[in-house]
Amino acid sequence: NAGVTQTPKFQVLKTGQSMTLQCAQDMNHNSMYWYRQDPGMGLRLIYYSASEGTTDKGEVPNGYNVSRLNKREFSLRLESAAPSQTSVYFCASRLDDRNTEAFFGQGTRLTVV
Amino acid sequence: GENVEQHPSTLSVQEGDSAVIKCTYSDSASNYFPWYKQELGKRPQLIIDIRSNVGEKKDQRIAVTLNKTAKHFSLHITETQPEDSAVYFCAASILSGGSNYKLTFGKGTLLTVNP
Repeated sequence: NAGVTQTPKFQVLKTGQSMTLQCAQDMNHNSMYWYRQDPGMGLRLIYYSASEGTTDKGEVPNGYNVSRLNKREFSLRLESAAPSQTSVYFCASRLDDRNTEAFFGQGTRLTVV
Repeated sequence: GENVEQHPSTLSVQEGDSAVIKCTYSDSASNYFPWYKQELGKRPQLIIDIRSNVGEKKDQRIAVTLNKTAKHFSLHITETQPEDSAVYFCAASILSGGSNYKLTFGKGTLLTVNP
């Protein structure tokens, strides 16, 4: 039982390159989330999926796209990376989107140069 | 707006003292309020949570109180120890759009417990 698994753990991109961050959970959770963490800014919600088949924008969605591939997997895509997207990205999942605990992946440290 | 405000941003206490972190939220439909602890370089992990039908919850040295009328909730840590040093985040499950809820976090509090 691995919980929430993110890949990769570290990535360096050049400005303009694209990449997809992968996230998978094995807890049969319905809701999944992508956050970015920057110093002094806390955890800001990028996109979320309350249930399989639905995705919604969070607080900072510009420059990102998501795909809820199936119940287990929720990917985050940067189509044209910018230095402002340098951050630590966390994926999280919850049994449902009401009042249950969120479990986090180990994070992806992304640097855009 | 749908946000969560957290104060203070930094807190330094002596070992054995108590620490209190406060959060406010704007959406009266919010029904779930967790607290997370994040150690340096690690992922956030839940330490305690409270649901909207309860005013207080305690787990050993940690307690959370909720005032739904005033829309604020607080984390209380008693008898602090150096290993309590970390960043603490409050969060609220906030109704967004139709019937979906999103989990929104405060900006965090860096707690330092001095030996």
